[in-house]
Amino acid sequence: KAGVTQTPRYLIKTRGQQVTLSCSPISGHRSVSWYQQTPGQGLQFLFEYFSETQRNKGNFPGRFSGRQFSNSRSEMNVSTLELGDSALYLCASSLAGLAGVEEQYFGPGTRLTVT
Amino acid sequence: GDSVTQMEGPVTLSEEAFLTINCTYTATGYPSLFWYVQYPGEGLQLLLKATKADDKGSNKGFEATYRKETTSFHLEKGSVQVSDSAVYFCALSGDTDKLIFGTGTRLQVFP
Repeated sequence: KAGVTQTPRYLIKTRGQQVTLSCSPISGHRSVSWYQQTPGQGLQFLFEYFSETQRNKGNFPGRFSGRQFSNSRSEMNVSTLELGDSALYLCASSLAGLAGVEEQYFGPGTRLTVT
Repeated sequence: GDSVTQMEGPVTLSEEAFLTINCTYTATGYPSLFWYVQYPGEGLQLLLKATKADDKGSNKGFEATYRKETTSFHLEKGSVQVSDSAVYFCALSGDTDKLIFGTGTRLQVFP
């Protein structure tokens, strides 16, 4: 069974640009969550999608947005990039998004560098 | 709000040494507790979990016991190997049903 895949793996962007990251969950999984990992803040929850609906959201500005398609693939978008957006962006999938009882399967991440 | 505090790293050990990584939490209600591991260049993998007080999670020689009285979930292993070198994250999932992580502890094991 294929794992969670994220594309691209590495990305370099300039301040003010926008970026779109993609996540393909494990087949059959309907929940996709996104996390930002930085050395200073650690792992922070961005949002979670289930059946094309955003079901949960972390404390990030509106520049961070996402969506989920009918095949459960998800994208996240960051507009007007800032230097502080440089991070490893991880997505995780699970069957129903019940973080308390289900295992979350993480992808390898997309390393975003903003210059 | 809910939060997780874990010991700062790096933790540096010789092979076959005993490992403890401390983790304490603050949460309303009865959260589930997890340890995740991140190897270099990879995403996180679930190492073990416990969903109620006094539960012991175990996997690959690692253990952690859910202690409600001390709000702790310390990770232990009796004899570490070089291949255990990684970053370990303690996490909880409470009423909001999302994972809240600690800052991570880097473990370095030398032969």
